[in-house]
Amino acid sequence: GDSVTQMEGPVTLSEEAFLTINCTYTATGYPSLFWYVQYPGEGLQLLLKATKADDKGSNKGFEATYRKETTSFHLEKGSVQVSDSAVYFCALSGGNTPLVFGKGTRLSVIA
Amino acid sequence: NAGVTQTPKFQVLKTGQSMTLQCAQDMNHNSMYWYRQDPGMGLRLIYYSASEGTTDKGEVPNGYNVSRLNKREFSLRLESAAPSQTSVYFCASSDETGRYEQYFGPGTRLTVT
Repeated sequence: GDSVTQMEGPVTLSEEAFLTINCTYTATGYPSLFWYVQYPGEGLQLLLKATKADDKGSNKGFEATYRKETTSFHLEKGSVQVSDSAVYFCALSGGNTPLVFGKGTRLSVIA
Repeated sequence: NAGVTQTPKFQVLKTGQSMTLQCAQDMNHNSMYWYRQDPGMGLRLIYYSASEGTTDKGEVPNGYNVSRLNKREFSLRLESAAPSQTSVYFCASSDETGRYEQYFGPGTRLTVT
């Protein structure tokens, strides 16, 4: 079945550092790919998405490019802030089925 | 526009007790979901409802039942709670099942002693 593998955390960075969180997937066909973020004490909210190969999703300075050849959707941000501290989830949907989530990566940004 | 609401926010149960978690959405979405979140396990789908009148099992349905009461409401019932059901429960909704953004509620933190 479809699955998502993302790098284990926690990840700890200093403010203004470069962030990469790796995500790879296994799916039949051409899934849509998502990054969700969960701030402390809250539910998940959509950060960005891409629906076809080579699409780049972006939001709040975060970016991720749908790479079909490497089955990857890595999340990047050029300069993280303390307010970016959260848990990040990669997810996919292959069609008329619910989203499949990775296990999440906790990011802590220190001033 | 409240989005997805869940009640209660916190609950403590004794082993063997029953309870129902309530979820409602005001976005006229067709699909609704129940997940549980455990440390190191990410989100695991318990049940979902692709449309009013239908429900389907997810990855971890054992010990739970659901009811899609109407288009707005989707409840999760624990008939006989067990310590293994200690978790944070999230309800979500989306326009349709599949490639659509899911909107999440704030969660219910359940402890079973």
